[in-house]
Amino acid sequence: EIQLLESGGGLVQPGGSLRLSCAVSGFNFRSYAMSWVRQAPGRGLEWVAGLNGGGDTTYYGESLEGRFIISRDNLKNTLFLQMSSLRVEDAAIYYCVKNQVSVVDAFDFWGQGTVVSVSA
Amino acid sequence: QSVLTQPPSVSAAPGQRVTISCSGSNSNIGRSYVSWYQQFPGTVPKLIISDDRNRPSGTPYRFSGSKSGTSATLGITGLQTGDEASYYCATWDFSLNAVVFGGGTKLTVL
Repeated sequence: EIQLLESGGGLVQPGGSLRLSCAVSGFNFRSYAMSWVRQAPGRGLEWVAGLNGGGDTTYYGESLEGRFIISRDNLKNTLFLQMSSLRVEDAAIYYCVKNQVSVVDAFDFWGQGTVVSVSA
Repeated sequence: QSVLTQPPSVSAAPGQRVTISCSGSNSNIGRSYVSWYQQFPGTVPKLIISDDRNRPSGTPYRFSGSKSGTSATLGITGLQTGDEASYYCATWDFSLNAVVFGGGTKLTVL
């Protein structure tokens, strides 16, 4: 059974940093691209970032302006999202998602999400 | 403003058929596969259509996907009250080098 379990969310002040983690199991992690997708309260889905199976090719959403870094540890089957210079508008549920194969493919499995709140 | 355009809402009666459109451009839908996601309030989105028209295991045959040029469509036949949810289209955009989502469509089954 494929499982994706996010952690690391919480309340942070504007300008602060957070590191999200996603522990996965049930599939050959290194063979699949992974992404982060977020959803602000009452809003739609927004893709944040993605990377290939090897972790050496990364892609980011336009709105991030270089503040986030996606990475993975294929030995520990874990995906990460390092978020810095956080803004109020970054508050959202952050979902860890598995791509069907590559980063251009559909998201076939989703984690339950971790909540990030940004407030003074 | 989303790169992909969906109607904010659609509605139809139980048993009827409804379509949800997703309009893009030659840099995204015109060049890449479209996927569709279903999300009930307070729950995690679920993939229901991949690669324009493929139904993953567990997606009822009542759901179908199609694409023509720079537009994609999700069709749902034999509507049920349990289909009430928000539906999102997504695809890769080769100009942005990013995944783009539609703004989402809320389906109401009257």
